[in-house]
Amino acid sequence: AQKVTQAQTEISVVEKEDVTLDCVYETRDTTYYLFWYKQPPSGELVFLIRRNSFDEQNEISGRYSWNFQKSTSSFNFTITASQVVDSAVYFCALGSYGQNFVFGPGTRLSVLP
Amino acid sequence: DGGITQSPKYLFRKEGQNVTLSCEQNLNHDAMYWYRQDPGQGLRLIYYSQIVNDFQKGDIAEGYSVSREKKESFPLTVTSAQKNPTAFYLCASSMQLALNYEQYFGPGTRLTVT
Repeated sequence: AQKVTQAQTEISVVEKEDVTLDCVYETRDTTYYLFWYKQPPSGELVFLIRRNSFDEQNEISGRYSWNFQKSTSSFNFTITASQVVDSAVYFCALGSYGQNFVFGPGTRLSVLP
Repeated sequence: DGGITQSPKYLFRKEGQNVTLSCEQNLNHDAMYWYRQDPGQGLRLIYYSQIVNDFQKGDIAEGYSVSREKKESFPLTVTSAQKNPTAFYLCASSMQLALNYEQYFGPGTRLTVT
């Protein structure tokens, strides 16, 4: 069975601090995709990144970076120099062939001014 | 602008009544999805459709029904058989039903049943 764990239920940081959101996944498939989504207070999920299981290169996009490690089944997300607008619930998700998408429970990030 | 619309934003119903949630997309996407979100549980898949007139049950389909008569529309009916219908419902679409395509989400409908 597939599973996504986001152990951090809520995180609070002060603006300009760096913060890392953890994501650990379980799957028996060798081909799979991992995603991160952001859900601001408005409720609509916004796609942030997709990573396939054969690409372990880390990725940086502005203040956002992602660290994919197959050895530990983790796909962590770091926000550098956090801003108040980063306050949201962040979801990690997993999809593999023949299985439905599985979302983690989410991590609520609060960035305080 | 292209996107997904869900209406209404908030919906209130009495227990025992069926209610239909609207979802429309103008992204020309083939695949559409319905998720339910409860506090602390992430999103759970209710139904999905990869093409018109075709849909499949997700992980928690009991008490729900859908139709896909048009590519743009994927309405969800919450029936009286759903034991705990109060939740936040999100509709999504993707170009195809394939794992390498990201899903685009609507703003959601918050349903309260009393």
